[in-house]
Amino acid sequence: AQSVSQHNHHVILSEAASLELGCNYSYGGTVNLFWYVQYPGQHLQLLLKYFSGDPLVKGIKGFEAEFIKSKFSFNLRKPSVQWSDTAEYFCAVTNAGGTSYGKLTFGQGTILTVHP
Amino acid sequence: GAVVSQHPSRVICKSGTSVKIECRSLDFQATTMFWYRQFPKQSLMLMATSNEGSKATYEQGVEKDKFLINHASLTLSTLTVTSAHPEDSSFYICSVTRAGLMNTEAFFGQGTRLTVV
Repeated sequence: AQSVSQHNHHVILSEAASLELGCNYSYGGTVNLFWYVQYPGQHLQLLLKYFSGDPLVKGIKGFEAEFIKSKFSFNLRKPSVQWSDTAEYFCAVTNAGGTSYGKLTFGQGTILTVHP
Repeated sequence: GAVVSQHPSRVICKSGTSVKIECRSLDFQATTMFWYRQFPKQSLMLMATSNEGSKATYEQGVEKDKFLINHASLTLSTLTVTSAHPEDSSFYICSVTRAGLMNTEAFFGQGTRLTVV
């Protein structure tokens, strides 16, 4: 069975600080990887996704993530956070292709608080 | 704009009653929808896969008779929590992926906060 582990439950930063949120998964096959963000009171939104190709993926709002297959990792990064990045971030994985492509396994989530 | 609409956003019900949650795909047809549950300070856990025109597929440990899923059209899936108990209080979220496309992202509804008193 798949599992996803996010290293930090709550991260507190000041504006302009750099961010890295860890995500590791366990699965033996080919996966698709996602980072979703949930702003307070809003629904989950896709930040970025990796299906294949360049392992460094750029998403919206200046976020990027790097897929390191040998480490089963997909860490999220942003060079300089803003107060508006305060939200909860979820790493998720699904089987690539097949019939279960829409079934996501989520990490526990990381709450990011950015102080102005 | 929103791709998936979920209703209601919040519901409080008495123990023993049933609650229906709707999930609508607004922008495209969805032969498959997914229902997740999120307990406080925990991750989203997949409950079931809703299949248009056929029975839902439930994940291990999820009671199909308690969480009734109906996917009667290509744009609507409903989750009914039957004989609700306080331990069913949770955040329920649906998601949709585009029919016929693999390796695609999922779009999520805004979720339903269910409180059973």
